[in-house]
Formats: sequence, structure tokens, C-alpha cells
Amino acid sequence: QSALTQPASVSGSPGQSITVSCTATSSDVGGYKYVSWYQQHPGNAPKLIIYNVTNRPSGVSHRFSGSKSGNTASLTISGLQAEDEADYYCSSYRGSSTRFVFGTGTKVTVL
Amino acid sequence: QVQLVESGGGVVQPGRSLRLSCAASGFTFSSYAMHWVRQAPGKGLEWVAGLSYDGSNTYHADSVKGRFTISRDNSKNTLYLQMNSLRVEDTAVYYCVRERSHPHYYMDVWGKGTTVTVSS
Repeated sequence: QSALTQPASVSGSPGQSITVSCTATSSDVGGYKYVSWYQQHPGNAPKLIIYNVTNRPSGVSHRFSGSKSGNTASLTISGLQAEDEADYYCSSYRGSSTRFVFGTGTKVTVL
Repeated sequence: QVQLVESGGGVVQPGRSLRLSCAASGFTFSSYAMHWVRQAPGKGLEWVAGLSYDGSNTYHADSVKGRFTISRDNSKNTLYLQMNSLRVEDTAVYYCVRERSHPHYYMDVWGKGTTVTVSS
């Protein structure tokens, strides 16, 4: 199964905004609206932070937002904080024999 | 609270078998599709297998098809992953994950994971 492509790393200073992209073939991100994002701190399990492209689960900071344009989904972190330093993965629901596919992952560093 | 607890991981030789279990609590297990997702050391997430709320439909990644089998026992609130013919490349942390579906599709609850090491 092909993966969704993300930049290996993105960095920013505290208080800045950064954007993580997630690009795929039209059969993944472009063709579906079920894009989700996960945050993973070292040694911990992933945590859902965005679902259905733009929705935030209860308890997730408003500083996290999602969007999609064509074949690229994006995660924006506003007002970057030290605690945001983690790995971030996008995912798309395929609805086929391969139910979900993940992005290659992006390491976010707070300078 | 909603919780998924994996067990059954360990060190196993190539070609041997292992069965992972995932005990669910805090929600109506029989109402949710479930999945296994793995993460090799230093690598990204990989979807491994999933099944419908009643177990009637199962799905497996090409990388494990014919070797791994996902199943569930709703009377025991438990998800399983039977792993046969294990390979070195199956070494990973295996996460049990709950799916939210209809009308949205995403994975909302993750266990802490269990580690599988395949080595001679």
C-alpha cells in the first residue's frame, strides 16, 4: 500500500505557526474526506487531534486546525508551544480492502 | 474510562507464531470496528488489519496477508491478532485501535501497545 507523503521535519519558534502537509494520489486524500491527524510523543501511543479533515475531538487545543485542498491535506499548529514537539501523522480512510493508510510522518521541532 | 490494553508480545524466532490480545473496557466493544496498527523501531505507523463490529468482515494489509489473522470475541470484549510465519520485519510495537465510523471514519482510541521482536 502506498503511503501518504509528508515532509520529514518542520520546525518553528515558540508562538509561530507551522503547517504540515500530507500529499497523496487522488484515491487517498483527494478522493476522500475522511482525513485524520495523530500526534505522537516519544514512547507514547498516537493521539487523535483532527478527524474528518477539520474536526477537533473534545479536549484538543484550538491551536490545532486542519484543511484540505485537492490532493493535499494540511495540519496547522498556531502559537507553537514546547509541548507541541512530537511526531505527526496524517491518515486517510480508503474504504477498500486496505481500510486506512498513514502518512510517512513529520517530526515537529520547537526551536 | 475507555481503555484498550494489549498483551501477548515478546521475543520470538523467525517462522514461529504469536497471538496478541487486546482487552477493551469502558465502551460497548461489540458496536465498534477494531484494528491493529504497528510501528517498527524508529519508523512510521502501518495499518496491519481490521475487522467489523461483528467480525463478519476482515481486512489485512498485503504485507501480512496469509500470515496474520485478526479476530474478536465480543463476549469477552477482546480483539486478537494471530501472527504466523513471523519475519524479522514484523518486529514492531503493535497497537490496538478503535474505529469511529458512520458517518466519519477515523481511529479515536489507541492502546499503549505491545512489543513484538522477531529475532534468531
